[in-house]
Amino acid sequence: TQLLEQSPQFLSIQEGENLTVYCNSSSVFSSLQWYRQEPGEGPVLLVTVVTGGEVKKLKRLTFQFGDARKDSSLHITAAQTGDTGLYLCAGLRGSNYQLIWGAGTKLIIKP
Amino acid sequence: DTGVSQNPRHKITKRGQNVTFRCDPISEHNRLYWYRQTLGQGPEFLTYFQNEAQLEKSRLLSDRFSAERPKGSFSTLEIQRTEQGDSAMYLCASSLEGLAGAANEKLFFGSGTQLSVL
Repeated sequence: TQLLEQSPQFLSIQEGENLTVYCNSSSVFSSLQWYRQEPGEGPVLLVTVVTGGEVKKLKRLTFQFGDARKDSSLHITAAQTGDTGLYLCAGLRGSNYQLIWGAGTKLIIKP
Repeated sequence: DTGVSQNPRHKITKRGQNVTFRCDPISEHNRLYWYRQTLGQGPEFLTYFQNEAQLEKSRLLSDRFSAERPKGSFSTLEIQRTEQGDSAMYLCASSLEGLAGAANEKLFFGSGTQLSVL
């Protein structure tokens, strides 16, 4: 059983559409990070959210941390083909430096 | 700075052989992590160094796995008597300990070493 559940596992949409992917848990996290990973490469950090209810924007990407710090979402507006990749969420519990990872959402944006 | 560097990028080996991977972190980073990732899964924590000290090791890690960071700079991960189940991408990440605490720590990953055990 994954401690962090990501949904959907796979999403394929047309360029220009909007989408939201989710990262859910029954556990509380002190912070949550979102990464994007391309095939054959390591994950690249997009954002860290720390405060319950926090919203962060990175161009067309909007990240939200749930009020109870158990879940997070990533919304992409007007998706572009360059957004294609595996989106991973990872959380920290307490002061432990060991990240707990979700299995990822594989996103494909079709031209 | 060229980021986190991992060598080799790909390794094919026969079952039972030993393999060693190298990671060169970002030069001023004092923390170094090893992760393993299989297809369709997120990275799985293996071990973590702060400077040269190995502070944490996953309970899931077999005794066949050992990691070192002798001078607090580069690190090596050795797998002895490889098994087909060891086939995975092995990722290294580094970070700089900051005053903001663990919650704000930023990990920088290398491109990984893809291991295939035949």
